[in-house]
Amino acid sequence: SAVISQKPSRDICQRGTSLTIQCQVDSQVTMMFWYRQQPGQSLTLIATANQGSEATYESGFVIDKFPISRPNLTFSTLTVSNMSPEDSSIYLCSVELGTNQPQHFGDGTRLSIL
Amino acid sequence: AQSVTQLGSHVSVSEGALVLLRCNYSSSVPPYLFWYVQYPNQGLQLLLKYTTGATLVKGINGFEAEFKKSETSFHLTKPSAHMSDAAEYFCAVTPVSSNTGKLIFGQGTTLQVKP
Repeated sequence: SAVISQKPSRDICQRGTSLTIQCQVDSQVTMMFWYRQQPGQSLTLIATANQGSEATYESGFVIDKFPISRPNLTFSTLTVSNMSPEDSSIYLCSVELGTNQPQHFGDGTRLSIL
Repeated sequence: AQSVTQLGSHVSVSEGALVLLRCNYSSSVPPYLFWYVQYPNQGLQLLLKYTTGATLVKGINGFEAEFKKSETSFHLTKPSAHMSDAAEYFCAVTPVSSNTGKLIFGQGTTLQVKP
């Protein structure tokens, strides 16, 4: 498995501001993923972040709202831009340790927007 | 499009009773199948997975699941519930044809264990 650290673990933000979430893995991985879990809901994939290429966004998510960086094989960031109360969610990163291997998740970032 | 259905958003069992959480997928080609558990204020932890081979797979914490192609199901069971099993459980799939590793999740089932 892998140790996945997310920062911050939680935050309360004002509407209209932006927050960058960091995801650090203790081993090199090709594929990293960002998910959103809205209150009482399941997980929805926001985007796939591969090192050395642009992130691939799922339907309903756009780069202007959720810019992602993937500067190396152990690190990625997700920014939630121009936040509104509807962005209040848990944001989780995950990694795939090998082809067709299960994804492993960080503990998530619990974000509340006032 | 591939989808995952978990029957029952809430399941309540007594401590020591059988746990059965249901999961069905929709695809003609069986996907890779996973069960994850989420404890309060934590991320997701993998319980077990099915990719190929034996259709009855054993996971952590005494859980197991059986892949039934004819029923397009992957139900999760545990013979005897513990209080510590109370959590949110998610069934997820990855299409075999996928080269992205994308996970598609069910809506989740909250397991309550009563003393």
